[in-house]
Amino acid sequence: GAVVSQHPSRVICKSGTSVKIECRSLDFQATTMFWYRQFPKQSLMLMATSNEGSKATYEQGVEKDKFLINHASLTLSTLTVTSAHPEDSSFYICSATGQGASGFPDTQYFGPGTRLTVL
Amino acid sequence: EDQVTQSPEALRLQEGESSSLNCSYTVSGLRGLFWYRQDPGKGPEFLFTLYSAGEEKEKERLKATLTKKESFLHITAPKPEDSATYLCAVQEKSSASKIIFGSGTRLSIRP
Repeated sequence: GAVVSQHPSRVICKSGTSVKIECRSLDFQATTMFWYRQFPKQSLMLMATSNEGSKATYEQGVEKDKFLINHASLTLSTLTVTSAHPEDSSFYICSATGQGASGFPDTQYFGPGTRLTVL
Repeated sequence: EDQVTQSPEALRLQEGESSSLNCSYTVSGLRGLFWYRQDPGKGPEFLFTLYSAGEEKEKERLKATLTKKESFLHITAPKPEDSATYLCAVQEKSSASKIIFGSGTRLSIRP
């Protein structure tokens, strides 16, 4: 299999607070994890790519100091939205590739997503 | 610049009415093409990976095909539960696992 989980599934927070989202690969080792955000009726926009034990690579226009990514182990990556504001409200989705993920190299397997609402 | 274009943007079919979704791509060298299904409020669900022109993959009522410039997702005798957004994504040979998504096709199957 290739199962990816995310926690929490939805979160509501006040403006100015920080929110942490966890992404876990449950049955394979995720050497690379990706973080996307998705606005209503739009496709996925890649925010950053992270390899286990290395600093994340951010896409152009994504503030690395605002969206902190940590990939400390082969099964866990976290995205922290710091000092969140209403414009950060979105659907955040992680994905992972790695060893043992159903035998398809390079295929990204996605988590269920986290709905963030900043009041 | 690498590009992925999906058409149509939306498609409404009657239950049992077969059709095809298109994904046209422009990359300097294709490493892989991926099809995903996404239901509202959920993450994309993996369907197929295609690697070379002429390759075909099937799963239940879905069949994906690949040429050097495009991929088709054929849906045969669809059911209402096939309603979803279908996303196509491509990976370039030099991209080291990063993929580029198309904007998706919203498929609606009426009973």
